[in-house]
Amino acid sequence: GESVGLHLPTLSVQEGDNSIINCAYSNSASDYFIWYKQESGKGPQFIIDIRSNMDKRQGQRVTVLLNKTVKHLSLQIAATQPGDSAVYFCAENLGGATNKLIFGTGTLLAVQP
Amino acid sequence: NAGVTQTPKFQVLKTGQSMTLQCAQDMNHEYMSWYRQDPGMGLRLIHYSVGAGITDQGEVPNGYNVSRSTTEDFPLRLLSAAPSQTSVYFCASSYGGGNTGELFFGEGSRLTVL
Repeated sequence: GESVGLHLPTLSVQEGDNSIINCAYSNSASDYFIWYKQESGKGPQFIIDIRSNMDKRQGQRVTVLLNKTVKHLSLQIAATQPGDSAVYFCAENLGGATNKLIFGTGTLLAVQP
Repeated sequence: NAGVTQTPKFQVLKTGQSMTLQCAQDMNHEYMSWYRQDPGMGLRLIHYSVGAGITDQGEVPNGYNVSRSTTEDFPLRLLSAAPSQTSVYFCASSYGGGNTGELFFGEGSRLTVL
């Protein structure tokens, strides 16, 4: 598969633990944020999103937190499983009439059994 | 439901050759885009389209051309390939309108330029 994990920050967790993946975004005008998961050899897959008028949003086993003051986004994964092993990207939508997403560099999550 | 389909999955070119990466989606999405992914650099937007007949440049458009003659198809053309264009290319689509980020990605096309 594609070695997208090379040179990426890596978070190593034990199976069953909670994972927290962090992301700093760049544009104060961004009003929509998304987390994507990319497994080896595959395209990115949508996980969860959050709008700038919220500071927290929960999904199934995942929670996204947004701190606009310091332009910081985090993804929390509860009870991490081996299937969660992947590269995780945050992305910001610069707003306006397009879906012009700008992606972060990604974090490799390695789940140890 | 096929979603976003990219062809070819793998391609090797020599410097100076031209080629087209194909992208098709069957979800009637208005928005389509091309990203390239390089190790340690995440995904960078090359070109995008908000509808048939409309295209615009992203972060790294140089060396690439696109067109959008139909809603379904959004081909990416390399007119004269360079080694710096060695990368994995992803096509993505989504519903139209602003402030929505759920892009549906294809499986990727891995291009090597020698």
